[in-house]
Amino acid sequence: EAQVTQNPRYLITVTGKKLTVTCSQNMNHEYMSWYRQDPGLGLRQIYYSMNVEVTDKGDVPEGYKVSRKEKRNFPLILESPSPNQTSLYFCASSGDEQFFGPGTRLTVL
Amino acid sequence: ILNVEQSPQSLHVQEGDSTNFTCSFPSSNFYALHWYRWETAKSPEALFVMTLNGDEKKKGRISATLNTKEGYSYLYIKGSQPEDSATYLCALILTDYKLSFGAGTTVTVRA
Repeated sequence: EAQVTQNPRYLITVTGKKLTVTCSQNMNHEYMSWYRQDPGLGLRQIYYSMNVEVTDKGDVPEGYKVSRKEKRNFPLILESPSPNQTSLYFCASSGDEQFFGPGTRLTVL
Repeated sequence: ILNVEQSPQSLHVQEGDSTNFTCSFPSSNFYALHWYRWETAKSPEALFVMTLNGDEKKKGRISATLNTKEGYSYLYIKGSQPEDSATYLCALILTDYKLSFGAGTTVTVRA
């Protein structure tokens, strides 16, 4: 089954404690992306990757890092999370269509 | 950041009625326009990918048109059913491969 997986699905953490949200796809897609969704603001792109070792900033990259060492994986790294990064995060991969992961709800206290 | 606007923000439709709503954008400088359907507590799901001026796509009772010259896309729902209740998102794939989403139109179908 074609899918995008994210882990963890829910995470409560404290300010400054580094965390990684994993994302993996099994569709051999070259394009992968991370979004955050906040009430009233819609989906905003954080980072995207056109292929292995190629990453670019989206509209809201501050406070986030990504890596693309393998085609299937695109982890999102928060080196020092802050409360304003509390949000719902989606990973996605694209061929002709974009497929979204199930989402990760992150709370930073 | 390309400003993608969707209107209205929300609408209520009586079951069986048809409805439509708009995605508008200031520039034709993009590769494609996507429409997504997003149900509560789920992930967005792709409905249509539109690339050419004049494109028309249809999936069941839902259809979409694209007018790049005047900067808008319409999504139509014919004979709305309760299962059509969702937020509908449009997004532009820009020439640098960034994606820019609108804030969505939330449709509630009343039985």
